[in-house]
Amino acid sequence: AQSVTQPDIHITVSEGASLELRCNYSYGATPYLFWYVQSPGQGLQLLLKYFSGDTLVQGIKGFEAEFKRSQSSFNLRKPSVHWSDAAEYFCAVGSHFGNEKLTFGTGTRLTIIP
Amino acid sequence: DTAVSQTPKYLVTQMGNDKSIKCEQNLGHDTMYWYKQDSKKFLKIMFSYNNKELIINETVPNRFSPKSPDKAHLNLHINSLELGDSAVYFCASSPGSGPSYTFGSGTRLTVV
Repeated sequence: AQSVTQPDIHITVSEGASLELRCNYSYGATPYLFWYVQSPGQGLQLLLKYFSGDTLVQGIKGFEAEFKRSQSSFNLRKPSVHWSDAAEYFCAVGSHFGNEKLTFGTGTRLTIIP
Repeated sequence: DTAVSQTPKYLVTQMGNDKSIKCEQNLGHDTMYWYKQDSKKFLKIMFSYNNKELIINETVPNRFSPKSPDKAHLNLHINSLELGDSAVYFCASSPGSGPSYTFGSGTRLTVV
């Protein structure tokens, strides 16, 4: 069964500092991997996704993520955060076959301090 | 035009009532889903339909019944609402050639 672990429940960073959010997955083959962001009271917005090919994926809002098969990881990074990046971030893994369901991690809440 | 639209956005109701949430997508996608986000923000799939056919039912109580009249619509009916049903329910769709989801903006259900 597929699963996702986001080890950090809450992260606080200063505005302008760099950011890395961790994500580890469990899946029997090469997975589909996603990062979503959810602002308070809002829906889910896709930041980026990995299906195959280049393991460094660029997304919206200046985010990138790197797929590392050997570490079963898909960490999200941003070189310089903005106050508007404060939100909940979800990593998810999807199946290649059949039902295409997404399995989400428990999320990481990002707080930005001035 | 909103790609995946859910109605209502907010729903407050008493225990024991029956309610429905509607979802429509105009993306031409083949597959639609319902996800539940609990009070701890955990997101879990409930149901998935492909071209009006149920393909995922993730141990959801029988009080929850999805209905797909056509591939653009997936509604969720909930009978005998309980306090524990309070959550945000997200509808989503995907083209069927890989899980490229588009999510709706969610329905916040509060059972009092």
